[in-house]
Amino acid sequence: SQQGEEDPQALSIQEGENATMNCSYKTSINNLQWYRQNSGRGLVHLILIRSNEREKHSGRLRVTLDTSKKSSSLLITASRAADTASYFCATDAKGGAQKLVFGQGTRLTINP
Amino acid sequence: EPEVTQTPSHQVTQMGQEVILRCVPISNHLYFYWYRQILGQKVEFLVSFYNNEISEKSEIFDDQFSVERPDGSNFTLKIRSTKLEDSAMYFCASSPPSGRTTDTQYFGPGTRLTVL
Repeated sequence: SQQGEEDPQALSIQEGENATMNCSYKTSINNLQWYRQNSGRGLVHLILIRSNEREKHSGRLRVTLDTSKKSSSLLITASRAADTASYFCATDAKGGAQKLVFGQGTRLTINP
Repeated sequence: EPEVTQTPSHQVTQMGQEVILRCVPISNHLYFYWYRQILGQKVEFLVSFYNNEISEKSEIFDDQFSVERPDGSNFTLKIRSTKLEDSAMYFCASSPPSGRTTDTQYFGPGTRLTVL
């Protein structure tokens, strides 16, 4: 089964607006992580939220996790042009698996 | 801040040739991983490595692939006989010995492999 499906697939907003991206998954997890990828570049870790946490903040990022709905959201407040990138959620399955399963990602474009 | 590094940044090879992709994980990390991302597709797990042995591998990681930690710092992915479909970005990642099952995985910048 597929894990970490993000929506929307693409999001375009004006600079200064907030951007919300969602992720759904299917199996029980230990953690959920969000990563950013600039075009053709590496994956930059943004935030990790554990299965017993409901919300986490880091600077302009706010992540929520609802394990009953198997979903997470990433909110970027006061967006900047430099936030333009693809954003991926990645989950690891409960039960000792170390691998991360990534979704297709949300392509975020911030228009100046 | 410590980073995962990978070399080369871009590797072009002929089909059937062997390639070795190199990674230097963050120095105090104990868990190492390889992932790949075919252009336009999602990042896929290949293999995880801990305590000098493979701890998990995916269906993609067949007999053509192998990993090695030849010394205290390098972590390599070898593809013995490359195929066209091996063209992808290959990411190395490492995570620290936090005692948890899985912790933050820190990714390198990737090696773009092009098989002609």
